[in-house]
Amino acid sequence: SQQGEEDPQALSIQEGENATMNCSYKTSINNLQWYRQNSGRGLVHLILIRSNEREKHSGRLRVTLDTSKKSSSLLITASRAADTASYFCATDGGNQGGKLIFGQGTELSVKP
Amino acid sequence: AAGVIQSPRHLIKEKRETATLKCYPIPRHDTVYWYQQGPGQDPQFLISFYEKMQSDKGSIPDRFSAQQFSDYHSELNMSSLELGDSALYFCASSLTRGNVANEKLFFGSGTQLSVL
Repeated sequence: SQQGEEDPQALSIQEGENATMNCSYKTSINNLQWYRQNSGRGLVHLILIRSNEREKHSGRLRVTLDTSKKSSSLLITASRAADTASYFCATDGGNQGGKLIFGQGTELSVKP
Repeated sequence: AAGVIQSPRHLIKEKRETATLKCYPIPRHDTVYWYQQGPGQDPQFLISFYEKMQSDKGSIPDRFSAQQFSDYHSELNMSSLELGDSALYFCASSLTRGNVANEKLFFGSGTQLSVL
């Protein structure tokens, strides 16, 4: 991957359980974002955390960022079957006018 | 609300043929991005445009070219297609005002290209 590793690559849990996905990156960043992708569909933005932030919440989502370790985690609480999707982290690589660099993604399966 | 529109949704081509993918960004968004995603892979950045000028370039083969037109729609042109070009091609747009930091991307549903 251009960006780094995500783990686990696949995660299977029961409805109601929490799901935690981790992401590591290689470069300096201005922000880190998490996206969700249903199979064969476009990516949907979930949450953005700036490099000077350590934690951010949005509904059932909680994101942490540790710039010293170049890592982030996404926690989905009280998971639902509808949360089944692939989750990608992405960074801007520290540049101002360019692209987002995506990690390899975690495939989450939530069983009803 | 209007989203990013891509066409066609599916495209089947033979080796060595050409393909043109179209993208219509969200109105008033000033930046367009193209990504390629192989099966089970992460999206790979190809190229981006800010206000119709190329702003960044990634791992885009020389056989591919792209442009953004005066109405802000963008086209990705692919020539001499190879089997390995089979992938999902995404267009995304954002309102960056030239600064991508702290901006999220809005993705289209993608074009699934199959090269036979």
